[in-house]
Formats: sequence, structure tokens, C-alpha cells
Amino acid sequence: AQTVTQSQPEMSVQEAETVTLSCTYDTSESDYYLFWYKQPPSRQMILVIRQEAYKQQNATENRFSVNFQKAAKSFSLKISDSQLGDAAMYFCAYWAPNDYKLSFGAGTTVTVRA
Amino acid sequence: DGGITQSPKYLFRKEGQNVTLSCEQNLNHDAMYWYRQDPGQGLRLIYYSQIVNDFQKGDIAEGYSVSREKKESFPLTVTSAQKNPTAFYLCASSFYNQPQHFGDGTRLSIL
Repeated sequence: AQTVTQSQPEMSVQEAETVTLSCTYDTSESDYYLFWYKQPPSRQMILVIRQEAYKQQNATENRFSVNFQKAAKSFSLKISDSQLGDAAMYFCAYWAPNDYKLSFGAGTTVTVRA
Repeated sequence: DGGITQSPKYLFRKEGQNVTLSCEQNLNHDAMYWYRQDPGQGLRLIYYSQIVNDFQKGDIAEGYSVSREKKESFPLTVTSAQKNPTAFYLCASSFYNQPQHFGDGTRLSIL
């Protein structure tokens, strides 16, 4: 089974500031996908951003961007200009065609201070 | 609107009782998944199905059963053999190599 590690159980950020969430993973595959999901108190799982391993360019979605370091097997999420609505639990996830299942990290709870 | 519908939102189980959680999708996705989430933790895969009439065990399948008789439906039964069923259950679906879409979840508790 693939291992996804999120080493930060909790992170706090001031509104309008930037926060970076860490994620590392272990795989021997060359073809895989990485995701960040957001889970607000409503418990919905919302896809934030996606990165294909074969793409060197880091994915960006509005205020959310990733730093994908394939050799280091690192996939961090940066939230810029943090807003109160960004407060949630964030999960890093890994998927490979050969595996066909999504492996999740333990999650990082983000708190946004007004 | 296309999406994934899980029902019920809340479910209570008595000792020795089997309960079934419903998951229906109208996204025409081939694959469907069931996850369990315990408080403050990530998601763990229970079962998944890539095509109709076929499914595979995930990491924590013991005490659970599924069926996939229709493309749109993937019900999960929590059997009496599951000794600690209290958790939040999420159903998901996807096309091959595309992100999974999730339902709103079912919270199961023991009476």
C-alpha cells in the first residue's frame, strides 16, 4: 500500500496571510496523481487541486498552488491570501492507475484567525 | 444536477443488527468507492468497484459487504461482525484516472 504522510496535525494562519501544508508520499510508480482535498465542518470532501506526476509545472487554482518535488516525493499546498472560509481539514491524497484506489494522509486542520 | 447521493444522513444500529448505507450516482462514473472516517483522522478504503458485478476489498473490509448490480448504485452493508461501526462513511465515484467525487456522507452510531 502507498503511504501518504502529513506531518502537521494543525496549522494556524492570519487572515490574508499565506500558509503552506506539507505532504510526502512513498511510491515506486512513475505514473500517478496527487490531490489536495478540503473538508470543512460540513464534512463534504471538496477537491482543491490536482497534479499529474508527469507534469513538471506546478498546478495552480486561484489562491491555491502546489510545490511538487517528484524526486523528493513531496507535494506541499500553499494557500495565499487566506480567507475565513479556508478553515477546514486538508487531506493530501495519492492515486496510481496500477493501484486504482486513493490513499489519504491523516489530514491537517487549518485555522484562520480574523 | 449530477452528483452522488448518500442516504440516510444519520443512521443508528442496534447490537447484532445489519444496516445498509445507500450510495447512488448519476455521473455515469465507472468506479465507486466506500471510505470510513473516524474522528480527526483521514479516510480509509473499505471496498471499491471498477465495473458492474465486480468489487475488491480495500484496507478495512472486515465486517462490511457490498454489491454492484447497477452502475449507478453501490450499497454498503455494515454487518454485526463489525464490532466498532461508529464512524462517518463516505461514498465516492470517478472515471478512470480522474479525481473522485464524494457524497455528503452518512454518520453511523450505535444505540
